[in-house]
Amino acid sequence: AQKITQTQPGMFVQEKEAVTLDCTYDTSDQSYGLFWYKQPSSGEMIFLIYQGSYDEQNATEGRYSLNFQKARKSANLVISASQLGDSAMYFCAMNTGFQKLVFGTGTRLLVSP
Amino acid sequence: EADIYQTPRYLVIGTGKKITLECSQTMGHDKMYWYQQDPGMELHLIHYSYGVNSTEKGDLSSESTVSRIRTEHFPLTLESARPSHTSQYLCASRSHSEAFFGQGTRLTVV
Repeated sequence: AQKITQTQPGMFVQEKEAVTLDCTYDTSDQSYGLFWYKQPSSGEMIFLIYQGSYDEQNATEGRYSLNFQKARKSANLVISASQLGDSAMYFCAMNTGFQKLVFGTGTRLLVSP
Repeated sequence: EADIYQTPRYLVIGTGKKITLECSQTMGHDKMYWYQQDPGMELHLIHYSYGVNSTEKGDLSSESTVSRIRTEHFPLTLESARPSHTSQYLCASRSHSEAFFGQGTRLTVV
């Protein structure tokens, strides 16, 4: 069965520092995609970054990069130069061969001044 | 740019009422999803669709139903709302490498 695991319920980081949010996944599919989302306290889900299983390079979008290690089945999100506005819940997700989009339990990030 | 919209944004309704939560997208995506989420908690998939006339139940059992008569429209209906249905409902649509969410509907059943 497909599963996403986020083992960090909460993370703290100081402004301007980098932070890594962990995500591991389990799937028997050869083709899959991994997504990261930010959910601020207002509740909307903001799409951040995508990594395909056949993509050879790690995905990057501005201050967000995805550290994709296929053999370890991990897809960690790296946020560089954290800002106060980065404080939010972060969810990792995976699309499966059955077209579902499954989510992890999330990590709450708090950025302090 | 995400073009997916949910209405209403907030809804307070009495027990036993029938409600329909609307979700529309103009990106031409075939795959659409409904999730249920309590504040600060994980998202639970309750329905999804591969395309027109296709709907499937998700991992979390739900008393709601969905329909997909048009590609752009994926409404969710509760025939008889109960306080246990109080939650946030999030709609999403997906292409191969992007998946966007609407702003969500916060439902409160009193």
